[in-house]
Amino acid sequence: DTAVSQTPKYLVTQMGNDKSIKCEQNLGHDTMYWYKQDSKKFLKIMFSYNNKELIINETVPNRFSPKSPDKAHLNLHINSLELGDSAVYFCASSSAGDGYTFGSGTRLTVV
Amino acid sequence: AQSVTQLGSHVSVSEGALVLLRCNYSSSVPPYLFWYVQYPNQGLQLLLKYTSAATLVKGINGFEAEFKKSETSFHLTKPSAHMSDAAEYFCAVSPTSGTYKYIFGTGTRLKVLA
Repeated sequence: DTAVSQTPKYLVTQMGNDKSIKCEQNLGHDTMYWYKQDSKKFLKIMFSYNNKELIINETVPNRFSPKSPDKAHLNLHINSLELGDSAVYFCASSSAGDGYTFGSGTRLTVV
Repeated sequence: AQSVTQLGSHVSVSEGALVLLRCNYSSSVPPYLFWYVQYPNQGLQLLLKYTSAATLVKGINGFEAEFKKSETSFHLTKPSAHMSDAAEYFCAVSPTSGTYKYIFGTGTRLKVLA
């Protein structure tokens, strides 16, 4: 029973397309996050939601739009995909300062 | 503002040798500190965390880390490396309240030699 599950695991798409990545957690955590990991393994926060409210919105192109229908779900929609969007995207959740629980990642390749 | 520096992007040790991965942090408020491990093609897994209780923190898989405020360090150690320890290790810092936004270090790739 996966704690933080992301779908899809792999996503290959052409430039200009629109795609979504879904994330669900069954841990009862209040806060969820999206992180981007680039080819050099550098991790950078993109967004965070606490109980469906956006609390962190880093400097991310507005082609990226998060949506949280409820506190167990946080989806990421990307419009007009570019080559530079190729990366691994991780969803995570946490409760207070307990530490993040990460999903297994979505490897996005834009061709 | 908070930041984390991991010294050494690649560390190689022999199987059975001591593992030492270095992490220094900068924080204007008392921090939470974490170590995560990432195996190839997997997500990050929490190894251990410091949340202002004991300064010596024990984690999973025989790892431990010591919080040294005077040195602003939180180095990760393991007495005896195992082949299965080969992975990428990340140190992270977070404020003790508010958004719990983690700042990750750039990672250290641990290689274990037979």
